[in-house]
Amino acid sequence: ILNVEQSPQSLHVQEGDSTNFTCSFPSSNFYALHWYRWETAKSPEALFVMTLNGDEKKKGRISATLNTKEGYSYLYIKGSQPEDSATYLCAFMTTDSWGKLQFGAGTQVVVTP
Amino acid sequence: GAVVSQHPSWVICKSGTSVKIECRSLDFQATTMFWYRQFPKQSLMLMATSNEGSKATYEQGVEKDKFLINHASLTLSTLTVTSAHPEDSSFYICSATGDLTYEQYFGPGTRLTVT
Repeated sequence: ILNVEQSPQSLHVQEGDSTNFTCSFPSSNFYALHWYRWETAKSPEALFVMTLNGDEKKKGRISATLNTKEGYSYLYIKGSQPEDSATYLCAFMTTDSWGKLQFGAGTQVVVTP
Repeated sequence: GAVVSQHPSWVICKSGTSVKIECRSLDFQATTMFWYRQFPKQSLMLMATSNEGSKATYEQGVEKDKFLINHASLTLSTLTVTSAHPEDSSFYICSATGDLTYEQYFGPGTRLTVT
């Protein structure tokens, strides 16, 4: 079983502040890293699929970076808003587990006005 | 974006009965569907992978006779929890993809409580 670690488990952010959190994964046999945003009672929403070392992706105020050699990815939220409150999941795919995602436990973000 | 529905969203059943959960891709053809289970405070754990028209592939430790998966069409997969017991109480969620290398689109999940 491959371990995907996310930290912190939860964080509270003041509206307008920026924040970031980490996903760590085994660096061997890397194929892709996925980020999802999951609001309560809704379906997890795909944010990014990252495949290349050094990749940076951006969607509005949310961005992510990827380091496949050291096995980590950061997700950044700039100028947090209450609607950013959600659990952010990362999931890792290897070259020898085609299509299968190994998920971290998530980082729960609460943005307070 | 691609939409996946799941039904029911929650179900309570008595120990020993069977429960069927449906997963549908509403606006795309899903060549592959995945079933996950999540216990409180834990990550989503893959239970099985199903391809349309073929038998599901189960992850190690998942009983295939207990968790029956049928992927009868490119838009529908079902998970049946047979002879459910309280330890089967969990959150079950499906995902679907038309391309294994890109996004998996998730349903909203089903909360199963076995009494």
